[in-house]
Amino acid sequence: GDSVTQMEGPVTLSEEAFLTINCTYTATGYPSLFWYVQYPGEGLQLLLKATKADDKGSNKGFEATYRKETTSFHLEKGSVQVSDSAVYFCALRNNNAGNMLTFGGGTRLMVKP
Amino acid sequence: DAGVIQSPRHEVTEMGQEVTLRCKPISGHNSLFWYRQTMMRGLELLIYFNNNVPIDDSGMPEDRFSAKMPNASFSTLKIQPSEPRDSAVYFCASSWGIRTYEQYFGPGTRLTVT
Repeated sequence: GDSVTQMEGPVTLSEEAFLTINCTYTATGYPSLFWYVQYPGEGLQLLLKATKADDKGSNKGFEATYRKETTSFHLEKGSVQVSDSAVYFCALRNNNAGNMLTFGGGTRLMVKP
Repeated sequence: DAGVIQSPRHEVTEMGQEVTLRCKPISGHNSLFWYRQTMMRGLELLIYFNNNVPIDDSGMPEDRFSAKMPNASFSTLKIQPSEPRDSAVYFCASSWGIRTYEQYFGPGTRLTVT
């Protein structure tokens, strides 16, 4: 079945540091890929998405590129802020399986001033 | 728009009691999802409705769990009887259409069963 694997956290960075959170997936066909963010005490929010190979999703300074050859969708940000502290979830939607999302385990990011 | 509304936000109950979690999706959305989040198992999809009809309930852990969607603006997730291992955060999410990308999540209900 479909699966998503993320790097385990927590990831602790200083403000303005470069962020990479790794995500790889296993799926049949050509899934759509997503990053969701969960701030403390809140539900998940869509951060960015990519629907086909080589697409780059971007939002709020975060980027991720859909790499079919390596089945990866790594999240990056050039300069993190304290307000980016949250849990980040990588997810896929198998276009052959309706609207259900398969989530990775989540990676907690802590940014220190 | 108020977003997805869930109640209660926190629930503490004793083992064996019935628990009912409630969700109001975003107006106009016709797909609704119930998820459970735990440290051990991460985020799991429990059940998915489209146009008020359950489409996939394969994630429902056992017969103690049941979900209903009597109309487009309301859904419940019931656990009877509850057990300590049901302690988790339960999220409801909604979206428009079967093949849309974004699910909008509610703030979740933190359930503690003692």
